[in-house]
Amino acid sequence: ETGVTQSPTHLIKTRGQQVTLRCSSQSGHNTVSWYQQALGQGPQFIFQYYREEENGRGNFPPRFSGLQFPNYSSELNVNALELDDSALYLCASSTQQGSGYEQYFGPGTRLTVT
Amino acid sequence: AQKVTQAQTEISVVEKEDVTLDCVYETRDTTYYLFWYKQPPSGELVFLIRRNSFDEQNEISGRYSWNFQKSTSSFNFTITASQVVDSAVYFCALSEAPGNQFYFGTGTSLTVIP
Repeated sequence: ETGVTQSPTHLIKTRGQQVTLRCSSQSGHNTVSWYQQALGQGPQFIFQYYREEENGRGNFPPRFSGLQFPNYSSELNVNALELDDSALYLCASSTQQGSGYEQYFGPGTRLTVT
Repeated sequence: AQKVTQAQTEISVVEKEDVTLDCVYETRDTTYYLFWYKQPPSGELVFLIRRNSFDEQNEISGRYSWNFQKSTSSFNFTITASQVVDSAVYFCALSEAPGNQFYFGTGTSLTVIP
């Protein structure tokens, strides 16, 4: 196990609603990245947070937003949910120091939008 | 533009057979990092290996081996004497700087038949 936890495990929302997903990073890691993985696809980068600041963003609209807290845990918020937002959302933690280039992933939150 | 291609969508092998998963990447950077992850049905991405662009040594870890060839922009993964527990989706990923976003391929679904 990586020590990265995510909650909730599963979530069902209705189109137009808002959702918040949570991630606790591995001990000693100060960077959290979020990915969206649609069914049958590879994970797509949403954004990354480093020391509570956004540190890079993929090709996702502004209704995808995030936060990182002083303990390096993180939230992903999605407003005005669309059917295409149905996916597995993965959180990955890493460190910007030393040789910590690997990203360690949590188990994911499976979001279904109806 | 960065890109990772895993041309094999699905592979089935009989237990104890060897299998090679292909990965071809594109990047304009001279320094970059390549990764392989395993995604079992539970959904969590499990880190397998990182290879730096300046280190072309092949690596073996138990039944797993990786062949990195810069000349052909490939980073292939071989499982020797496959086992049923190897059944999963395998992703190849590229990062162009330590801690930066990962670009994932679309994955190869491996089924090992007992």
